[in-house]
Amino acid sequence: QQQVKQSPQSLIVQKGGISIINCAYENTAFDYFPWYQQFPGKGPALLIAIRPDVSEKKEGRFTISFNKSAKQFSLHIMDSQPGDSATYFCAAGGAGSYQLTFGKGTKLSVIP
Amino acid sequence: GAVVSQHPSWVICKSGTSVKIECRSLDFQATTMFWYRQFPKQSLMLMATSNEGSKATYEQGVEKDKFLINHASLTLSTLTVTSAHPEDSSFYICSTRGPRDTQYFGPGTRLTVL
Repeated sequence: QQQVKQSPQSLIVQKGGISIINCAYENTAFDYFPWYQQFPGKGPALLIAIRPDVSEKKEGRFTISFNKSAKQFSLHIMDSQPGDSATYFCAAGGAGSYQLTFGKGTKLSVIP
Repeated sequence: GAVVSQHPSWVICKSGTSVKIECRSLDFQATTMFWYRQFPKQSLMLMATSNEGSKATYEQGVEKDKFLINHASLTLSTLTVTSAHPEDSSFYICSTRGPRDTQYFGPGTRLTVL
């Protein structure tokens, strides 16, 4: 049973546009929601993370929006750049465990 | 963020041989490390949780006798793939557990079994 559903699977955005990736979770005990960025042949890098006590967190061009009642959270990349082209994974964790449950990933391509 | 290293970054071996992958936490002590494998264009699949000084906890379907994990110090965990076969070819990634459930990932090790 997949506990974190991520969409879309792939996304093409023009340079300067907004990239939006969505995730939904099932386990209401999750209390930590990170996003990771992965380039080909590299390990994932923590991009930004949020906890349920806030509805939005912004770091530079990256914003997480969190909707606790809907059990959804999303990543917004403003002013998308070709260098942002990578695979993005959402994850959920906490719930008394140190483990993270990952979404299936979104391959983002930012075209000039 | 925390720095995690892995060695080697890539390895090619013959079927039936064993391969050891090291994961080091460079700037803080990690009592808990995680091992993942990732097939091309797929998500990360947790294989096991490595706890310093105790036995690793394996996820369902992961053969503990095939994927040996040792976490002998607070900065080093090793994954040994024993009697490797072509189907074990994958990208193996470790991570360390940081403050407040944060996980920092290593750069990964590409294993190719011929």
